[in-house]
Amino acid sequence: GENVEQHPSTLSVQEGDSAVIKCTYSDSASNYFPWYKQELGKRPQLIIDIRSNVGEKKDQRIAVTLNKTAKHFSLHITETQPEDSAVYFCAASNSLDSWGKLQFGAGTQVVVTP
Amino acid sequence: NAGVTQTPKFQVLKTGQSMTLQCAQDMNHNSMYWYRQDPGMGLRLIYYSASEGTTDKGEVPNGYNVSRLNKREFSLRLESAAPSQTSVYFCASSLGQGTGDWRYLLGGTQYFGPGTRLTVL
Repeated sequence: GENVEQHPSTLSVQEGDSAVIKCTYSDSASNYFPWYKQELGKRPQLIIDIRSNVGEKKDQRIAVTLNKTAKHFSLHITETQPEDSAVYFCAASNSLDSWGKLQFGAGTQVVVTP
Repeated sequence: NAGVTQTPKFQVLKTGQSMTLQCAQDMNHNSMYWYRQDPGMGLRLIYYSASEGTTDKGEVPNGYNVSRLNKREFSLRLESAAPSQTSVYFCASSLGQGTGDWRYLLGGTQYFGPGTRLTVL
């Protein structure tokens, strides 16, 4: 089955700096890669996703890149703000085969300090 | 449109007790999922239901059972709770089943409920 590894497990950044979280996956058939943000005590919420037919997607201060050959994808947050502090999870699935089952990474705790 | 709802929000059980966690969605989604979240472990899939009438085991199914009552509702049952089942439980749903390009484009996004914090003493 799919295995997703996520690094780093914790990330501390100064407000205004950029943050990068990296994930690798094992199943070359995976074609859907969402990122979820989870604030303390809250549910995970989708912030951005990318499908295997594109290499990069951007939404305001967040962007995701995908390298299918190397089987890794990354989340980039620019101009970080205190409200970006949360746990971020990457995930992967093969939407053509697994009926939407996601394999999650272990998460990255991001702390943005003023 | 409430999205995905879960009850209860909090529960404390004694070892050996049983309980059922309820989940409902009003987005007309086909697929539903149960996850548990433990510190440092991310989200682990317990059971999922690809469509009404079907259920399958996920990564950590032992000690749990599920019922897909109808298209809207998917319940998780702990028959004999153990301290190792202390966790936060999330239900999720996605559009799921489809055919061809439609499925490829829309099937993956999962929407989560608010969670149930369960403590087993």
